[in-house]
Amino acid sequence: AQKITQTQPGMFVQEKEAVTLDCTYDTSDQSYGLFWYKQSSSGEMIFLIYQGSYDEQNATEGRYSLNFQKARKSANLVISASQLGDSAMYFCAMREGFGDMRFGAGTRLTVKP
Amino acid sequence: SAVISQKPSRDICQRGTSLTIQCQVDSQVTMMFWYRQQPGQSLTLIATANQGSEATYESGFVIDKFPISRPNLTFSTLTVSNMSPEDSSIYLCSVEWGDYRSGANVLTFGAGSRLTVL
Repeated sequence: AQKITQTQPGMFVQEKEAVTLDCTYDTSDQSYGLFWYKQSSSGEMIFLIYQGSYDEQNATEGRYSLNFQKARKSANLVISASQLGDSAMYFCAMREGFGDMRFGAGTRLTVKP
Repeated sequence: SAVISQKPSRDICQRGTSLTIQCQVDSQVTMMFWYRQQPGQSLTLIATANQGSEATYESGFVIDKFPISRPNLTFSTLTVSNMSPEDSSIYLCSVEWGDYRSGANVLTFGAGSRLTVL
């Protein structure tokens, strides 16, 4: 069964605006971690932000923030003040306990000038 | 974070041949992970490679098709054997490291090996 769901194959955003990339997950574990990665057109994968299941505050990292709604099992990525360099594939991922990292299908973000 | 060198970066291969991908890490790591990313798809874990033991393969991946070596704590190879066009993918090596900002163990990836099988 699919554990990580990203329902937006593609998203467009105007430069300097904010955008939200959706991610929902499914787990019965109490301890898990949620991650977002960015993959550029060259294939390079970069870690962006992390949210632990026990973290009460939403994670933030520069222009990235994670809107964590535990009861709804969602972990949406918010990118503020979009830049042209933000155009890329974005993957949501989850690790249950000390298990393997599992990735969602990804969302392709295009930032328009 | 660890720096991973992966090669080849890309290759075009003939059906029926085999290709070995190398992954070198600049620090010693316990586990190394091999992922496959088929065109337009997400990342799928092929196997986890521990030094000194057999690799652990995920469902749908077998050692005969994807033999892995892990001779030391900084190096691993993945071979794609008897290739067919369906093996055309990006293959990524990754290791785990501690992110000082979040305190989490996250994956860092090599640049990937883009294989095209004709």
